[in-house]
Amino acid sequence: GNSVTQMEGPVTLSEEAFLTINCTYTATGYPSLFWYVQYPGEGLQLLLKATKADDKGSNKGFEATYRKETTSFHLEKGSVQVSDSAVYFCALKGRGSQGNLIFGKGTKLSVKP
Amino acid sequence: DADVTQTPRNRITKTGKRIMLECSQTKGHDRMYWYRQDPGLGLRLIYYSFDVKDINKGEISDGYSVSRQAQAKFSLSLESAIPNQTALYFCATSDSGLNSNQPQHFGDGTRLSIL
Repeated sequence: GNSVTQMEGPVTLSEEAFLTINCTYTATGYPSLFWYVQYPGEGLQLLLKATKADDKGSNKGFEATYRKETTSFHLEKGSVQVSDSAVYFCALKGRGSQGNLIFGKGTKLSVKP
Repeated sequence: DADVTQTPRNRITKTGKRIMLECSQTKGHDRMYWYRQDPGLGLRLIYYSFDVKDINKGEISDGYSVSRQAQAKFSLSLESAIPNQTALYFCATSDSGLNSNQPQHFGDGTRLSIL
């Protein structure tokens, strides 16, 4: 079945450091891929998405590229800020799955000043 | 998302009690979902609904039931709560639309503790 594996946290970085959070997936066909972010005490918010191979999703300085050959969708940001501290979830939606998302376990990011 | 409201935000109760968590939305979306979040396990789907009175089981539906009597409301019930149902519960909505990749919009969660 479909599944998502993302790197375990927590990840602790200094402000302005480069961020990579790895995400790989297993799915039949060509799923759509998402990154959601959860700030403390809040629900999840869509950060970015990509719906086909080689698409790049981007938002708020974050980027992720849909790599079919490596079944990956790694999240990157060139210079993190303290306000980026949150839990990040990679997710996929398979074709024909009627809108149901499969989530990774989440990666907690802490950015220190 | 302020358009997806969950009540209560926090609840502490005892084993064996019946609990109902409410979710209401003003986004006009037809699809609604209930998830639970546990540390280290991410989010797991409990039930989902694509329309009024449409109910579908998710990954972990045992011990839960839901009701969708109106488009804007989707309630989750625990008929006889047990301690391992202690978790953070999220409601989400999405629009069916022509684009099957519509994002899900989440409420702020209900923290449920069962003693």
